[in-house]
Amino acid sequence: EPEVTQTPSHQVTQMGQEVILRCVPISNHLYFYWYRQILGQKVEFLVSFYNNEISEKSEIFDDQFSVERPDGSNFTLKIRSTKLEDSAMYFCASSLRTSATGELFFGEGSRLTVL
Amino acid sequence: RKEVEQDPGPFNVPEGATVAFNCTYSNSASQSFFWYRQDCRKEPKLLMSVYSSGNEDGRFTAQLNRASQYISLLIRDSKLSDSATYLCTGGTSYGKLTFGQGTILTVHP
Repeated sequence: EPEVTQTPSHQVTQMGQEVILRCVPISNHLYFYWYRQILGQKVEFLVSFYNNEISEKSEIFDDQFSVERPDGSNFTLKIRSTKLEDSAMYFCASSLRTSATGELFFGEGSRLTVL
Repeated sequence: RKEVEQDPGPFNVPEGATVAFNCTYSNSASQSFFWYRQDCRKEPKLLMSVYSSGNEDGRFTAQLNRASQYISLLIRDSKLSDSATYLCTGGTSYGKLTFGQGTILTVHP
């Protein structure tokens, strides 16, 4: 069964450092997303990406965050200068259609710990 | 008001019980609704979509009431493996899913 894969599974970084989280979405999917979940809290939308551009982003997704699809397979989330409050599980997801009509498939997540 | 509100529980039920979860949403722009299941420290996985006409998948029944902005999930004949957090969510045309806090279900022998 096709799946969304994410690397790394866990990253520990110092505050102020740059972090890149990587995702390989399901190959025929057209829509890509990043969500995050702070421990004990709800899953929160960060950004959606379609046709090589951001289609929507939340207020969490400020100038410190960026996304890129550098080639035909990878989808990355970069945090330029990490803060303590960026510590969370980051989930990549992809879908064949928009989330309004289609199922999102989530990766297993990348746990980010900022010290 | 939170966009998607759920009773966090926890719900502790014996095997074989019927349990119902409710969810309300405030964003009238939400076009579609889903129930996701999340096991501890794992990713959310789609359980089922929710339609106004109601839909059933085995032991699970979901219902949407657009007038009341209310979504429900009914689980019949609970199994130990149903223990998880159930996430109510609504989606807009721009690709954003808004999740509720989740309802914790524990099914015990």
